[in-house]
Amino acid sequence: QLHLQESGPGLVKPSETLSLICSVSGASIISATYYWGWIRQPPGRGLEWIGNIYYTGTTYNNPSLRSRVTISLDTSKNHFSLRLRSVTAADTAIYYCARVLRDPDGDPFDYWGQGTLVTVSS
Amino acid sequence: DFQLTQSPSFLSASVGDRVTITCRASQAISTLVAWYQQKPGKAPKLLIYAASTLQSGVPSRFRGSGSGTEFTLTISSLQPEDFATYYCQQVKSDLFTFGPGTKVDSK
Repeated sequence: QLHLQESGPGLVKPSETLSLICSVSGASIISATYYWGWIRQPPGRGLEWIGNIYYTGTTYNNPSLRSRVTISLDTSKNHFSLRLRSVTAADTAIYYCARVLRDPDGDPFDYWGQGTLVTVSS
Repeated sequence: DFQLTQSPSFLSASVGDRVTITCRASQAISTLVAWYQQKPGKAPKLLIYAASTLQSGVPSRFRGSGSGTEFTLTISSLQPEDFATYYCQQVKSDLFTFGPGTKVDSK
């Protein structure tokens, strides 16, 4: 049974770096069939894609966040990570990690973590 | 900028109603839509991908269709557990976009 679990600080100060880990159990993050992503949702609002990472280490990020985002993976620990630099209150959101199914007709997020709320405040 | 729009933004319906939600892309793309259901306090759940492929375990009352720039999600007979917010999602050149969502609540 695949399980994804986000972890990290729930409170980050403005201008600092938000760091989250997504621990994956029940499947290897080294896969040509799947890859891995981060999505966020500000309270009461819609979903915003942050970025994805392939097992090769190749990443694709939302252009609106690209300069502040780093996504990486640690195959020895079977987890992947998100770092978002220079945060502001606008980065307050529930952060989800998810698995992406490689499909020729569009890659859906087929499994999601439960999400973790990160608040940016001094 | 590639964008997805959804209509309606809000929908009031009763149990047993047929519900249709539309997702429109700002330009035609080769990849197809996925649809998600999200209930309050929960992560989104994949319902349909590749426009019409039902994810394993999803009830058959959910149906997806469409191509080009217009896609629809239809719930044939709304059930009490279907009151939720629904999002479409597409991929273009390895960049992902979600629609703004459609909230389905009880009339």
